[in-house]
Order: sequence, then structure tokens, then C-alpha cells
Amino acid sequence: DAKTTQPTSMDCAEGRAANLPCNHSTISGNEYVYWYRQIHSQGPQYIIHGLKNNETNEMASLIITEDRKSSTLILPHATLRDTAVYYCIVRVYGTGNQFYFGTGTSLTVIP
Amino acid sequence: GAVVSQHPSWVICKSGTSVKIECRSLDFQATTMFWYRQFPKQSLMLMATSNEGSKATYEQGVEKDKFLINHASLTLSTLTVTSAHPEDSSFYICSARGGIGSRNSGEQYFGPGTRLTVT
Repeated sequence: DAKTTQPTSMDCAEGRAANLPCNHSTISGNEYVYWYRQIHSQGPQYIIHGLKNNETNEMASLIITEDRKSSTLILPHATLRDTAVYYCIVRVYGTGNQFYFGTGTSLTVIP
Repeated sequence: GAVVSQHPSWVICKSGTSVKIECRSLDFQATTMFWYRQFPKQSLMLMATSNEGSKATYEQGVEKDKFLINHASLTLSTLTVTSAHPEDSSFYICSARGGIGSRNSGEQYFGPGTRLTVT
């Protein structure tokens, strides 16, 4: 059962930062926040994950609030190829626990 | 990152026949594999969890006799849709988790998906 809520859809202008919010108010202390994205008719692609500190990699930044009840995925310079459905998932790291996907946010990057 | 492949990438079969989908971890050993199903414009729905050498664990509402899962080796899991019907037409996606102690320990990697169409 998904423990996250996300807006259904968002638009972003090409070259601008895309900020995708996620609420996970019932997150447990040992649960990480994961972000994946799915481009049409492909398998999900890992983006980033974090526990409580902000994280950054070559794809994106993850900002987690101090109370860990919400987070924001930031794509600093969105391109047309970033158009996809973005999923925020919480789960315990390093276990066999399954990923339960919510509805995700459909991001459309506009030229 | 680690690579997971699926075969075939798409398949069309006639109603009443069975079809097998393979999921392989190409550069790591996967002690656990997961199978998902995704209908158009919907999210991924977990169908079952497959552990190497043991029976799969199915999510509530998924018929284990219709969706046969075999995880005979650390790099291969198969999903067989038996007596397929048009309502089984969907996008089937697997993911694989590296074993504890391995380089890919704990993380899940997704395959590219298999599009099944039952006519």
C-alpha cells in the first residue's frame, strides 16, 4: 500500500527547475524516500534516495523536510527528455521489502 | 547501475494460450525478484515477490495458478501467464534485488518491461 501522495500532473518550462513535491506523513524512522521515474512504455528508472539529509546526484536533488513528512525532487534544468511520470516511494533500505507505487506525478516539460 | 533485462519486449498471443516472460539480472545475482503489472494510464501494481529456490509470495487478489512464477537461479525469474485472456493484456515489469553482501545489496533494479497483448 503506497504511503505517499503526489500531485497528479505538473508542467515545467524547458530549462527551468522542476520541483516535484511528495507527502509521506506516516513515514517511519527507518524508511527512506526513493524517487523513480517512468518514461512512456519503459521500466522505472532510479533517480535518487535519502533518509533525512538532502541529497544530490548528477540527475537531481532531494530535499527532505526536517520532520521527514514531505520531500521535494528538484530537476535543476528540465529538458524535454525529462517528461515522464515521477514516483515517490518510501521503504526500508536494504531489505527485501517491496516497492509499492502510488499514482505518481506526470511531469510535462514544455518547449 | 546494474542491468535487468526482460524477454520478450513485446508479445501477442491468442486467447487461451500461455506465454512466458523472462527476467534476468545481467551483472549481479538477484536473490529476490519482483513482478509488477501496469495497465494503461495506471501505476505499477506489485503482483508477487519471488525468492530464489522458494515459492513466490503473491499479493492479495493475484491468482497464483494463473500467474506462475519460477525463480530457479540467482539470475533468472520467469512469469508464465496461463490460459491468457484479453483482460490479461498489460505491461509486465520485473525488478531484481541484489543479495545481502553483494555490491548491489538491497537495491532494486527494474527491467524494461514486456508488453503483452492477448487477442
